[in-house]
Amino acid sequence: GAVVSQHPSWVICKSGTSVKIECRSLDFQATTMFWYRQFPKQSLMLMATSNEGSKATYEQGVEKDKFLINHASLTLSTLTVTSAHPEDSSFYICSARGIATGAYEQYFGPGTRLTVT
Amino acid sequence: SQQGEEDPQALSIQEGENATMNCSYKTSINNLQWYRQNSGRGLVHLILIRSNEREKHSGRLRVTLDTSKKSSSLLITASRAADTASYFCATSRAPPYNTDKLIFGTGTRLQVFP
Repeated sequence: GAVVSQHPSWVICKSGTSVKIECRSLDFQATTMFWYRQFPKQSLMLMATSNEGSKATYEQGVEKDKFLINHASLTLSTLTVTSAHPEDSSFYICSARGIATGAYEQYFGPGTRLTVT
Repeated sequence: SQQGEEDPQALSIQEGENATMNCSYKTSINNLQWYRQNSGRGLVHLILIRSNEREKHSGRLRVTLDTSKKSSSLLITASRAADTASYFCATSRAPPYNTDKLIFGTGTRLQVFP
């Protein structure tokens, strides 16, 4: 149980284009979803927290107009990287938490590797 | 920075040996969690220990927490080659801070040789 999927697994895009990443909870209702980015051999840095049906809460230093987050349903959240640039290349990981999964544990998707050329 | 630190940064052992990883953090916590990440993949939740707990076991995993020293350790006993991965601790700060938010440590890369 508590499976989270991400799509796509990897994406290569040209500078200036936008990329959408989907995060789905497959077997539970995710009341809260989290988006992280991870640079090679480094730790995860939280970008934003989203609760179903409300606006995402962004961490300090994360541009909300650049990283658009939508959490329209209890099983789907999307992260759109707008006008991507090479410095946005990273590993993006989502996680989800729901009433049925425990108060504090987060269940992670497999990640999306974004390369901007 | 609120980010925790783990040591060692990297650890290589033989199958059957025990592996110990340590995590230090900076603020009062609600709970501390350990996750495993295989190369290029998402994270898998291993174990959660609450701030009022001192030790917890799950299979071959043993986690200790010392809130006075703001540190935790993860012990993997009788390691296997399949345990090769990066291990991260993550802390949830105590109220009034947002207990939802996890702050990840820098990670320990464990390699277990057959």
